[in-house]
Amino acid sequence: NAGVTQTPKFQVLKTGQSMTLQCAQDMNHEYMSWYRQDPGMGLRLIHYSVGAGITDQGEVPNGYNVSRSTTEDFPLRLLSAAPSQTSVYFCASSPLGAGGVLGELFFGEGSRLTVL
Amino acid sequence: AQSVTQLGSHVSVSEGALVLLRCNYSSSVPPYLFWYVQYPNQGLQLLLKYTSAATLVKGINGFEAEFKKSETSFHLTKPSAHMSDAAEYFCAVSEGFGNEKLTFGTGTRLTIIP
Repeated sequence: NAGVTQTPKFQVLKTGQSMTLQCAQDMNHEYMSWYRQDPGMGLRLIHYSVGAGITDQGEVPNGYNVSRSTTEDFPLRLLSAAPSQTSVYFCASSPLGAGGVLGELFFGEGSRLTVL
Repeated sequence: AQSVTQLGSHVSVSEGALVLLRCNYSSSVPPYLFWYVQYPNQGLQLLLKYTSAATLVKGINGFEAEFKKSETSFHLTKPSAHMSDAAEYFCAVSEGFGNEKLTFGTGTRLTIIP
């Protein structure tokens, strides 16, 4: 019973490098999302998806790209890393009820990214 | 646009005392409201959620929250704090109906004093 799996758990990048944070869930959830967590700022939504082929921007999408080709996977791409993207990133998934009501959000363990 | 405001980034209570964590929301439609808890170096876990069925919602670990439309509030309470309640707590709002994204507050760190 894996739930939401994020890789890698830790990553150090140099400014300008690109990378992909992987997220996979095995619960057949329609909704998937990426958040970043920074001290004093809580969790801020980067991108989210309500199903395969559908993505939308959250509060802080600049510098990040996502795609949802399958129900299970929702990778987050950093196009050209900047020190401001140093953060802890969480992937989360949830079933969607009638009317688009979110159920319980299941979180991965987080990916700690440092950009030098 | 939906948003939540958590009053007090840090709250300290004595073991056995009442826990009260404040959350006010802003939403253009009847909201769905959630409280999540985060223990150190972990992801978030759902404590409870309000989806309009009942204004007083009971969650796990003895926590409950009351939805008050007139005050646009969804405060989290627990009658008697336990050392294991020390964690960071996040209030969150979703509107559904085409706006499914979940927006979190900035969090309240709860410290329990022995």
